[in-house]
Amino acid sequence: DAGVIQSPRHEVTEMGQEVTLRCKPISGHNSLFWYRQTMMRGLELLIYFNNNVPIDDSGMPEDRFSAKMPNASFSTLKIQPSEPRDSAVYFCASTALSDSPLHFGNGTRLTVT
Amino acid sequence: RKEVEQDPGPFNVPEGATVAFNCTYSNSASQSFFWYRQDCRKEPKLLMSVYSSGNEDGRFTAQLNRASQYISLLIRDSKLSDSATYLCVEDQTGANNLFFGTGTRLTVIP
Repeated sequence: DAGVIQSPRHEVTEMGQEVTLRCKPISGHNSLFWYRQTMMRGLELLIYFNNNVPIDDSGMPEDRFSAKMPNASFSTLKIQPSEPRDSAVYFCASTALSDSPLHFGNGTRLTVT
Repeated sequence: RKEVEQDPGPFNVPEGATVAFNCTYSNSASQSFFWYRQDCRKEPKLLMSVYSSGNEDGRFTAQLNRASQYISLLIRDSKLSDSATYLCVEDQTGANNLFFGTGTRLTVIP
């Protein structure tokens, strides 16, 4: 199994630009999570999906952030327009069952200048 | 207010030492807790679950104290390879709605 696959690994962009982060969960996993990690705030849950349906997006910072899961094997997290305070590592994670451990992708390190 | 509080460290210990981390949580109804390990510039990975009765996996022991609302991780006979950040995790709803602590950084020194 290839694990959770995220792309890109690194993204450097200028303030105001649109950023799209991508995630492919482990095949057969029906829950997908987007987290953001910073030194100050640690890992924060942004949004999670069950069976492609968004369940809780209360962690999404503001309207500039949006996430979609058009099918069981693909999800995107979009930031438009991006701001320097969005700089962080964004992790995608998936799991098969509610009581199973999360499997994280390698993360996307986003820098907004 | 963070749901999960951890001492950020760093903890610098010599090889072979025993080290313990504590983590406090806020929701007395939470049922599931975990310790994750995160290496520098890597993703978090599950180290162990924490059960009410306590559980042990080799050199690692995890315990839950519901009365005081904290969980602990004990590492015996520390190895250089144990150097990492250890994240305390609380599952508040039992549906993988996980709250992560900011992590405790451990460095094991030769």
